[in-house]
Amino acid sequence: EPEVTQTPSHQVTQMGQEVILRCVPISNHLYFYWYRQILGQKVEFLVSFYNNEISEKSEIFDDQFSVERPDGSNFTLKIRSTKLEDSAMYFCASREKRAGGGTDTQYFGPGTRLTVL
Amino acid sequence: DAKTTQPTSMDCAEGRAANLPCNHSTISGNEYVYWYRQIHSQGPQYIIHGLKNNETNEMASLIITEDRKSSTLILPHATLRDTAVYYCIVRVAWNTDKLIFGTGTRLQVFP
Repeated sequence: EPEVTQTPSHQVTQMGQEVILRCVPISNHLYFYWYRQILGQKVEFLVSFYNNEISEKSEIFDDQFSVERPDGSNFTLKIRSTKLEDSAMYFCASREKRAGGGTDTQYFGPGTRLTVL
Repeated sequence: DAKTTQPTSMDCAEGRAANLPCNHSTISGNEYVYWYRQIHSQGPQYIIHGLKNNETNEMASLIITEDRKSSTLILPHATLRDTAVYYCIVRVAWNTDKLIFGTGTRLQVFP
């Protein structure tokens, strides 16, 4: 069964460093998302991406964050200058575009645990 | 998005049916009910979704009341591996497609 994959599973970085989290969405999916979950808290939406541009972003997704689909398979989240409070699990998700509208399911990857020291 | 209310936690004996309720009394006519679960710190796993009719798949059944103000997720024969946090989410099909997670119900399946 196709699944969303994410690398690395765990990333440790120093405060102020740049990190890039990588995701490979399900191959025929066209909508891509990043969510995060700080330890013990809710899963929070960060950004959605379609047709090579951001569709929607939350207030968390400030100028320190960026997303990119550098090729036909990868979807990345970059944090330019990490802060301690960026420590969290980051989940990528994707969904297909169903012809004729209607709703489609988002499928999540296993996550990347980011630890900022 | 409509808000949902779920019990904080529930227990279920292994092999028995787990019935997880969700209240979404402010749901609009075009909002779908989605259920996801999260096992430990893994990525949320899709379970099932529905609009008006009851739905069943290989994982679970979803019962939506006629007025659509509440729903129940049923795991017919719970196993220890079903221990997880279960999230009930309502979402408009064509508006925003972000998922808004609440705190969910922590289901503990015991032997």
